[in-house]
Amino acid sequence: AQSVSQHNHHVILSEAASLELGCNYSYGGTVNLFWYVQYPGQHLQLLLKYFSGDPLVKGIKGFEAEFIKSKFSFNLRKPSVQWSDTAEYFCAVNILTGGGNKLTFGTGTQLKVEL
Amino acid sequence: ETGVTQTPRHLVMGMTNKKSLKCEQHLGHNAMYWYKQSAKKPLELMFVYSLEERVENNSVPSRFSPECPNSSHLFLHLHTLQPEDSALYLCASSQALAGAGSYNEQFFGPGTRLTVL
Repeated sequence: AQSVSQHNHHVILSEAASLELGCNYSYGGTVNLFWYVQYPGQHLQLLLKYFSGDPLVKGIKGFEAEFIKSKFSFNLRKPSVQWSDTAEYFCAVNILTGGGNKLTFGTGTQLKVEL
Repeated sequence: ETGVTQTPRHLVMGMTNKKSLKCEQHLGHNAMYWYKQSAKKPLELMFVYSLEERVENNSVPSRFSPECPNSSHLFLHLHTLQPEDSALYLCASSQALAGAGSYNEQFFGPGTRLTVL
């Protein structure tokens, strides 16, 4: 069965530091890739997604992610984090074999940004 | 109200109780989902309804019983739960499931925090 691994469970950064959160998936076929964010007390919301084309995708709030097919990775990056980026971040994969829309999520990474 | 709403937001129940979780979407979607979010575990897909028909049941115990009376409403009926069922239960909606090779973005509700004593 496919799986999604997020290696960092808790990350603490100071404001203006650069961020990179790792995400690896285990499936050799065609996939759609997503990063979702859950701010404290708020809904899970889509941060960015990769379907095809340019492997470097840009999302909301200055986030970007790079799809590296050879490494089965989709790492999330932000050059300079803000206190308001404190949230939990989830990587997810949709495997494109019959009946789409079945997301497999990672365990999440809790990011805390300190002033 | 807009988006996906869930009630109640918090629920505490005993193992012998029967309760229901409610989800309502105001986005004009016609597919709805139940997920379970447990501490330190990945979000788990439980059920999927598309056009009011159940199209996915991920080996969920029968003490969880979903109901989708129309495309805007989704329920999760709970009975004789176990303490390990304590978790955040998330509802999501999207446009109806497309065929292989396509995907419709899912929008999530705030969740119901369930505690089983």
